[in-house]
Amino acid sequence: GAGVSQSPRYKVAKRGQDVALRCDPISGHVSLFWYQQALGQGPEFLTYFQNEAQLDKSGLPSDRFFAERPEGSVSTLKIQRTQQEDSAVYLCASSRTGTDTQYFGPGTRLTVL
Amino acid sequence: GENVEQHPSTLSVQEGDSAVIKCTYSDSASNYFPWYKQELGKGPQLIIDIRSNVGEKKDQRIAVTLNKTAKHFSLHITETQPEDSAVYFCAASIRIRQGSARQLTFGSGTQLTVLP
Repeated sequence: GAGVSQSPRYKVAKRGQDVALRCDPISGHVSLFWYQQALGQGPEFLTYFQNEAQLDKSGLPSDRFFAERPEGSVSTLKIQRTQQEDSAVYLCASSRTGTDTQYFGPGTRLTVL
Repeated sequence: GENVEQHPSTLSVQEGDSAVIKCTYSDSASNYFPWYKQELGKGPQLIIDIRSNVGEKKDQRIAVTLNKTAKHFSLHITETQPEDSAVYFCAASIRIRQGSARQLTFGSGTQLTVLP
């Protein structure tokens, strides 16, 4: 079946621009996670949704980062007024429940110039 | 919070040899330890996982061992093949309460190169 998909795969933004990154989880997966992966590093947790409820946003680095999942399926990670340090790969993962295996999408590589 | 350290950062082996990657974790409450393989331009793919009530788990050429007392776990790949070349990440997670999310804390990764 279809896995987790993310779009766009690559995004180049000028510093100060807003960006929106999309995640389509596996159908029926209740839980959705966003991670940030800097070059040469492991993914770092950003936020977690159970259905449409954002239950944990402790990893969001600043109030410029905002995530939503209004209908409990597709999620969008928005970054306002992008900075160079926001350059990274943003990974989305989903699982049937919060305690099950997390399946990752291919990620969106964001480059802020 | 949890801290996961992973060694080595790079590992080169000859095809057919074994590869071992080691991780340590800091929080004794961690109870789930997955290993992911990440190929260039792709997202991490789960290859094996182990829970804290098990000391060892094997799946064909891949095995993982867990030592809860020492708070370390290892990935073993036998009979390595060129297609095993990738970055491997260990991770640890705590289930804070029943049914809650498993927030994964990842190691920094190991670039494995299998030389033909």
